[in-house]
Amino acid sequence: EAGVVQSPRYKIIEKKQPVAFWCNPISGHNTLYWYLQNLGQGPELLIRYENEEAVDDSQLPKDRFSAERLKGVDSTLKIQPAELGDSAVYLCASSFGGGAPGELFFGEGSRLTVL
Amino acid sequence: QKEVEQNSGPLSVPEGAIASLNCTYSDRGSQSFFWYRQYSGKSPELIMFIYSNGDKEDGRFTAQLNKASQYVSLLIRDSQPSDSATYLCAEDGGSQGNLIFGKGTKLSVKP
Repeated sequence: EAGVVQSPRYKIIEKKQPVAFWCNPISGHNTLYWYLQNLGQGPELLIRYENEEAVDDSQLPKDRFSAERLKGVDSTLKIQPAELGDSAVYLCASSFGGGAPGELFFGEGSRLTVL
Repeated sequence: QKEVEQNSGPLSVPEGAIASLNCTYSDRGSQSFFWYRQYSGKSPELIMFIYSNGDKEDGRFTAQLNKASQYVSLLIRDSQPSDSATYLCAEDGGSQGNLIFGKGTKLSVKP
């Protein structure tokens, strides 16, 4: 079974440019998360989806970040415009209700460098 | 604001020794705790969860929870070089799946 797929794996852009990350969760997983992980830090939740509904986006900087999950499957996270401080790894994760509590399956991440 | 505190390490232990990783949390009402392992350049993966006071064993891994002291630990017996990774402690932030992670402790097991 395929895991959580993210693309691109690496992205280098100049500040003020837009960037988008894509995530395909594990088939059948109705919950999808976007986390941000800075170097030497733990992941921090940006947004959580239950099917196509964003149920927790309280930590998403809405002035420059946006996300969508069309048809409750794939998701896209966008940053426009990017700032130097946005350089980090953006992790997508998914889970399903019948799994172990707190068991999130993470993708390999998209590493963003803003110059 | 819930917080999870971990010593960032690095923690270095010789092969075959017991590695002890510790974590404290701020919210006395927190119920569930998780240990994730993250190899360098890779994504985190769940290795254990615990929600009752006491010990929970799974192979070479033992998770310990002390709610009175707001303390969670992970013991790795017979440590192997393949256990070298960053171990992230997390608590359930109140909504299932909204995990609050600590900064992680980097473990190095020397052959």
